[in-house]
Amino acid sequence: AQRVTQPEKLLSVFKGAPVELKCNYSYSGSPELFWYVQYSRQRLQLLLRHISRESIKGFTADLNKGETSFHLKKPFAQEEDSAMYYCALSGRGNNDMRFGAGTRLTVKP
Amino acid sequence: GAGVSQSPSNKVTEKGKDVELRCDPISGHTALYWYRQSLGQGLEFLIYFQGNSAPDKSGLPSDRFSAERTGGSVSTLTIQRTQQEDSAVYLCASSPSSTSSYEQYFGPGTRLTVT
Repeated sequence: AQRVTQPEKLLSVFKGAPVELKCNYSYSGSPELFWYVQYSRQRLQLLLRHISRESIKGFTADLNKGETSFHLKKPFAQEEDSAMYYCALSGRGNNDMRFGAGTRLTVKP
Repeated sequence: GAGVSQSPSNKVTEKGKDVELRCDPISGHTALYWYRQSLGQGLEFLIYFQGNSAPDKSGLPSDRFSAERTGGSVSTLTIQRTQQEDSAVYLCASSPSSTSSYEQYFGPGTRLTVT
């Protein structure tokens, strides 16, 4: 069974401060990890995926298989980053995806 | 092209009534998911359809919940004898079958309120 844990329901930082949203997972096979974001009154959408090794809107996430983590980081948070963030996992080669409970990020001015 | 659509956008129903929520996935997407998003609760997996395979119903909270996917396209989530705790936003997502892409495309959701 696959499980995704986001230990923080709420996270609040000031504008310009670094931010890290934590995600831990458990999965016996080769995982594919994702971060999804939902801005106010918008649809849930993909932010980034670990296989792309990309930086989107200044966010990065590194898959650490030893710690089974996929934390989302940004060095300087902006007010427009305020949103709900979900970490998600699927097994490589299948579409069965599971989401964490989400972290609501608030960036204060 | 059109994204995932859901109807109705809002549904208010009385406790004990049955409701049907509809999802139209992106054309050609073989995987379809239903989730429930409750205030302060995050995203709860309900059910997953992949092509013609038997659906993964492991997330359905009770036997009052059921879902169908007809012709590998449109899906309907049915909640029988609704309870107040069923009030939530119900999200549908679809995903292509390609092994190179697992991005899920979400619909706008149906906000269900049980009074």
